[in-house]
Formats: sequence, C-alpha cells, structure tokens
Amino acid sequence: GEDVEQSLFLSVREGDSSVINCTYTDSSSTYLYWYKQEPGAGLQLLTYIFSNMDMKQDQRLTVLLNKKDKHLSLRIADTQTGDSAIYFCAESIIRYSGAGSYQLTFGKGTKLSVIP
Amino acid sequence: DSGVTQTPKHLITATGQRVTLRCSPRSGDLSVYWYQQSLDQGLQFLIQYYNGEERAKGNILERFSAQQFPDLHSELNLSSLELGDSALYFCASSSQPGGAETQYFGPGTRLLVL
Repeated sequence: GEDVEQSLFLSVREGDSSVINCTYTDSSSTYLYWYKQEPGAGLQLLTYIFSNMDMKQDQRLTVLLNKKDKHLSLRIADTQTGDSAIYFCAESIIRYSGAGSYQLTFGKGTKLSVIP
Repeated sequence: DSGVTQTPKHLITATGQRVTLRCSPRSGDLSVYWYQQSLDQGLQFLIQYYNGEERAKGNILERFSAQQFPDLHSELNLSSLELGDSALYFCASSSQPGGAETQYFGPGTRLLVL
C-alpha cells in the first residue's frame, strides 16, 4: 500500500535553514514532489525529483532523496517569513486502472512557522 | 498563477443538495485531476480525465461524478451532500495522460455543507 508520512509542525527562526522530512512506502514511485500551500491558497509546486536522482538543488531549495530508506527531505536555506506555509510531500505512483495513470499520494503536510 | 482556474471559489449549501464545481485546465493540458482536501483525510485523489475520457479513479464516492467536455474543462458533481463533504476541492492539470510529470493545481473551491 501507499502511505506518505510527514511531521505536522516545524518552527524555525528567520535566517536559519529549515529541513522538512518525509517518508514514503511505495518503492515504485517515479517522481517525488514538494508542494507549498499558503493560507487560503492552492498548491504551488516548489520542486520535484526523479526517483533515480539523490539530490536536486534549486536556488534556496535542496531536495535529498534516500531511496533505500524511502526518505525525502526539503531544505530551505535562509528561511524567510514568506516561507511560512504548509509543505506537502507527494509521490507519483503508476496505477493500472484502465489505461494506466500516475497518481499523486500526498502526506498530511508540515506546517512551517518562521519566527522573525 | 498556475493557469488552472476553478469556480466558484466558495460554496455554501445544505445537506441533501447537489453542487457542480468547474475547472479549466492550463492551455494545452489534456489531463484533469480532482482532489479533495479535508482536515481528517488530508489530500486525496478522486478522479482523472484525459481528453474527455475517464482515466483513473481514486477514492471517489458513488454520490460524486465528473466529466470532461470537448473544450477540456471539467466539472465535478457532488450530490446528496453530507456534512462530511465539506472540504477544499482542487483541480489539477497536466499535459500528458500519465501525469508522472508535473501536475499544476488550481486555487480550489471551498465547499461548506450546513
């Protein structure tokens, strides 16, 4: 079965690094994603990593993937108050229902609070 | 702005009623996905359409149905509404049927059933 787990809360000081962790169970995941949801808003894609990679860097964001342990992390360098939001980890798994489709399974989200 | 639009933004209705949520995908995207976000269940995949045809089903109740029209917009119909159907409903779109690449999400429709 599939399950994506994240811790629910994280609090950091402005200027520090934030690390949000995620574990997933389905080893057939192809892509793993990080989405950001600000209050009252939709889901904004932050970054994603293909399952055969172990690291991806994109400006202040660094994604690390440990496929053996099924562990994904998102590091935000120099965290700002504007980074306060809920961060969702998601895995993309192929489902053979009908013609075949990848579906996203989301974690429950980690609420990041940045203290000025 | 993801390019995916959803209407209405908010909807308040009563139990037993029926509502229709609308989604327009990004220009050129043929795949539309519907998700439900609730406090207890988190974000759950409901159903996917690709170029007018149902492609995959997730945790969608029988009281719910969806369709995708020739102009590629999609509607999610929720009937015999219950209090527990109160949630944020998201639509996402992608360019390919598989969806392994990026899905872009709309701003959501917040449904409140009283």
